[in-house]
Amino acid sequence: GEKVEQHESTLSVREGDSAVINCTYTDTASSYFPWYKQEAGKGLHFVIDIRSNVDRKQSQRLIVLLDKKAKRFSLHITATQPEDSAIYFCAASGAFMTGNYKYVFGAGTRLKVIA
Amino acid sequence: GGIITQTPKFLIGQEGQKLTLKCQQNFNHDTMYWYRQDSGKGLRLIYYSITENDLQKGDLSEGYDASREKKSSFSLTVTSAQKNEMAVFLCASSGVAEQFFGPGTRLTVL
Repeated sequence: GEKVEQHESTLSVREGDSAVINCTYTDTASSYFPWYKQEAGKGLHFVIDIRSNVDRKQSQRLIVLLDKKAKRFSLHITATQPEDSAIYFCAASGAFMTGNYKYVFGAGTRLKVIA
Repeated sequence: GGIITQTPKFLIGQEGQKLTLKCQQNFNHDTMYWYRQDSGKGLRLIYYSITENDLQKGDLSEGYDASREKKSSFSLTVTSAQKNEMAVFLCASSGVAEQFFGPGTRLTVL
């Protein structure tokens, strides 16, 4: 089955710098790659996603890159702010239309933005 | 927008006890999920349900039962709580892609 590896378990950056979190996956059939943010004591909050028909997506300060050949995707947070500090999870999923409803999550990256 | 409610927020049980966690969503989503989150291990899927009365096992279903009596609710039962077990159980629901998560139930077994 699909396996998702999240390469950075912890990451510290200075406020205003960029943070990059990298994930790799194993199943070439995966086609949907969401990212979630979890603040202390809370559930997961969706932040951005990318589908396999594109290789880049941006939403304000968040950029997601997808390299299907390398089976790798990454989250770039630009101009980081202290409120970006949280645990970030990547996930991979197949196509819902084919009946694949399951996400496989990475282990999470604890991001700390230092003021 | 919608919301996912999980009850209770904190659950303390005794070894061997049967414990039930509840989840309600008002998104009118068809699919609902239960995950277990252990520190440093990400989320692992316990059960999911693609429609009312449907149940599908995830990777971690042993030791758990689930029930989807109606579209808006999904319950998870820990059949026999393990001593010193500590985890957060997260419920989620989805339409065609994005999953929305509840705030979690934190389980402690004494």
